[in-house]
Amino acid sequence: QVQLQESGPGLVKSSETLSLTCTVSGGSISPYYWSWIRQSPGKGLESIGYVYSSGTTNYNPSLKSRVTISLDTSKNQFSLELYSVTAADTAMYYCARALGAPPGPDAFDFWGQGTMVTVSS
Amino acid sequence: SYVLTQPPSLSVAPGKTARLTCGGNNIGDKSVHWYQQKSGQAPMLVIYYSSDRPSEIPDRFSGSNSGNTATLTISRVEVGDEADYYCQVWDSSSDHSVFGGGTKLTVL
Repeated sequence: QVQLQESGPGLVKSSETLSLTCTVSGGSISPYYWSWIRQSPGKGLESIGYVYSSGTTNYNPSLKSRVTISLDTSKNQFSLELYSVTAADTAMYYCARALGAPPGPDAFDFWGQGTMVTVSS
Repeated sequence: SYVLTQPPSLSVAPGKTARLTCGGNNIGDKSVHWYQQKSGQAPMLVIYYSSDRPSEIPDRFSGSNSGNTATLTISRVEVGDEADYYCQVWDSSSDHSVFGGGTKLTVL
């Protein structure tokens, strides 16, 4: 059974960089999409972006200028960096695996439990 | 970018049928995926590729998709089905996954 686990600071200061890592166990990195999704308190789901097992990335247009997602196949991990954060970035951050082949991801079939990140001033 | 529209709430009595809708321009041409999110938990996939069901999901859950509306149908609704439900598609024009705003299903 594939399992995903997010890790990283729960508190980030405004204007700094939010960094999270997702560790994948119980399955192969290939050939899947590895994604970050967030949910602001009381709100809906928002896709941040993905990295495909080949290394190809793509990001939500609304966040594209502030986001980097990377993959470390040797560690079975992928990471999120969100730069210049504000209070609006306070959210539960989920990592997830998506099915599908290029050109894009389909359904998110496995999810991490999520990690809450608060941006403080 | 592509927009998915879901009614914010739906109430249904136990044992009845719940039909949750997801509207989008020509959504019938896309693969739609549905997630159940219970309070305090991560979302869980319940329907993928519009009508396929993961093996662990009961056959009370079914999906359809045509025209401008995709539908998640839950038959013989149980109290344990109370949750937020989200639809999702991949928007090829922006190469980005899009979620609907979610429907809160209340089982009265």
